[in-house]
Amino acid sequence: QVQLVQSGAEMKKPGASVKVSCKASGYTFSGYYMHWVRQAPGQGLEWMGRINANSGATNYAQKFQGRVTVTRDTSISTVYMDLSGLTSDDTAVYFCARSSYTDNCFDPWGQGALVTVSS
Amino acid sequence: EIVLTQSPATLSLSPGERATLSCRASQNINNYLAWYQQKPGQAPRLLIYDTSNRATGIPARFSGSGSGTDFTLTISSLEPEDVAVYYCQQRKSWPLTFGGGTRVEFK
Repeated sequence: QVQLVQSGAEMKKPGASVKVSCKASGYTFSGYYMHWVRQAPGQGLEWMGRINANSGATNYAQKFQGRVTVTRDTSISTVYMDLSGLTSDDTAVYFCARSSYTDNCFDPWGQGALVTVSS
Repeated sequence: EIVLTQSPATLSLSPGERATLSCRASQNINNYLAWYQQKPGQAPRLLIYDTSNRATGIPARFSGSGSGTDFTLTISSLEPEDVAVYYCQQRKSWPLTFGGGTRVEFK
């Protein structure tokens, strides 16, 4: 079955960077996009960006341009999201989610990775 | 950026009742709207895509309708497992955006 398994929780200090991974299985990795969506505690969902798992081309929300980098390693079917310049506002659960090339609907989702930013 | 406004914020109903959730877009998004269900401590799950198409494995009591700027998710008869927060999401233009969510709870 299609599965996305993310790395574990992270605790970071303000100004640091964090790298979250998302390992895919159960489907042809290069045939889909992978997106990153975050959710601050008690809040809604916020789309951050996506990567074409085949070509490596990326699109990012303007809010995160210059701070977020999404990459992939096709040899291990894994996507990475790197977020720099962390502040307390970046404390959130970060989800990866797959979409097809013909739509930008998210199915399935990873289990989420909590990133806590605190001094 | 397209803003999605969901109403009501909270819906309190009894098991077996019909739930009607609304999502309004700040501009025309054609039929490019999806709905997700998120239970506490879990990742969201895709319910409906392109306004009215149920995702794989989603029960028939969930249905979607609408077009342009006004959309509705209907749960025909609430089951205990339907207690959750429901989000709408548009894919008409960048950035992809979500509504603020509607919480469905039992009275």
